[in-house]
Amino acid sequence: GEDVEQSLFLSVREGDSSVINCTYTDSSSTYLYWYKQEPGAGLQLLTYIFSNMDMKQDQRLTVLLNKKDKHLSLRIADTQTGDSAIYFCAESANFGNEKLTFGTGTRLTIIP
Amino acid sequence: DAGITQSPRYKITETGRQVTLMCHQTWSHSYMFWYRQDLGHGLRLIYYSAAADITDKGEVPDGYVVSRSKTENFPLTLESATRSQTSVYFCASKLDSQFSYEQYFGPGTRLTVT
Repeated sequence: GEDVEQSLFLSVREGDSSVINCTYTDSSSTYLYWYKQEPGAGLQLLTYIFSNMDMKQDQRLTVLLNKKDKHLSLRIADTQTGDSAIYFCAESANFGNEKLTFGTGTRLTIIP
Repeated sequence: DAGITQSPRYKITETGRQVTLMCHQTWSHSYMFWYRQDLGHGLRLIYYSAAADITDKGEVPDGYVVSRSKTENFPLTLESATRSQTSVYFCASKLDSQFSYEQYFGPGTRLTVT
């Protein structure tokens, strides 16, 4: 079945850029998403990218997709304490997104 | 403007007991989902529902039962709780439109089985 892998932890100094990486195995993954989970809360969609794109930028967020290597990354510029959270990548083979496969999640810790 | 709510938020139960986790959404979304979150596994889909009276298994359905008699409610029942079902459970919902891709998550229920 599909497999989505992430590193469990990442620590970054406040003001630096954070790069969270994700690899997936399903070559039919067409839609890829980044969700953010703040402490004690549910997940919220941060951004997404479709497989016909290489890059997507949204304010401080940059998503890069390398389809050949099945590698997805999320870069957060000028990381702030409010960015402390768990970040999940997720993939779906169809736009309707009825069945998302989530990665293991990366806990981002900001060092003051 | 409640959105999607889950109850209870915290539950401690004993092995072998039946437990029901509730999920309620006010948006009339067609799709609803149940996930469990465990360290090292991320979120795994337990069951989902495309509409009232339509449910389907996800990745880890064993030991769980769902029903959906009304669009707005999607309860998850653990018929005989086991320690391996200790987890944080999230409910989510989504519009049925083919142009809608975002799932909206509830705040979660932390379940401990002793």
